[in-house]
Amino acid sequence: EAGVAQSPRYKIIEKRQSVAFWCNPISGHATLYWYQQILGQGPKLLIQFQNNGVVDDSQLPKDRFSAERLKGVDSTLKIQPAKLEDSAVYLCASSPGPGAYEQYFGPGTRLTVT
Amino acid sequence: SQQGEEDPQALSIQEGENATMNCSYKTSINNLQWYRQNSGRGLVHLILIRSNEREKHSGRLRVTLDTSKKSSSLLITASRAADTASYFCATDVQTGANNLFFGTGTRLTVIP
Repeated sequence: EAGVAQSPRYKIIEKRQSVAFWCNPISGHATLYWYQQILGQGPKLLIQFQNNGVVDDSQLPKDRFSAERLKGVDSTLKIQPAKLEDSAVYLCASSPGPGAYEQYFGPGTRLTVT
Repeated sequence: SQQGEEDPQALSIQEGENATMNCSYKTSINNLQWYRQNSGRGLVHLILIRSNEREKHSGRLRVTLDTSKKSSSLLITASRAADTASYFCATDVQTGANNLFFGTGTRLTVIP
């Protein structure tokens, strides 16, 4: 079974530039998550999708971050404009459903904002 | 914050020894999960324990949950160098959209 795919793996941008990350979840998984993991900390949820609808985006900085999941499969996360404090690993995860299911994580995208 | 907190922050043991790490959380939960993260395999689910369970085993892993104390422990027996990683507890709180709140992690080093 193919795992969660993410691209790119690494990205370096200057502050105020924009960047986009892509995620392809495990086939058949209805729930998709984006997390931000700052060095030395645990992952922090940014947004949860159920199929192509947003379930929870309460921790997403909506002034600069946006995410979409078209057709309930692939998802993109965008940052515009980026700030220095956005430097982190962005993890995508999927699961068969919310709650009492394990989440399957992709390898992440390491973003460095200079 | 609804995040759990792991204790200790870092742990170093010899291969073959047991490793115990603890997690405390603040709000009532539906379930608690443990994940491992290393550079080779990324973040991987280890075990899930529901709020009505007190203990669960999976191979060399043993997890306990005490909801009255809002705490959990993860025991890894007969550790191996390959167990070197960061371990996170993640709680699925009872209020909200069934999201997971991750703790700050315990960094485990197993010395060959």
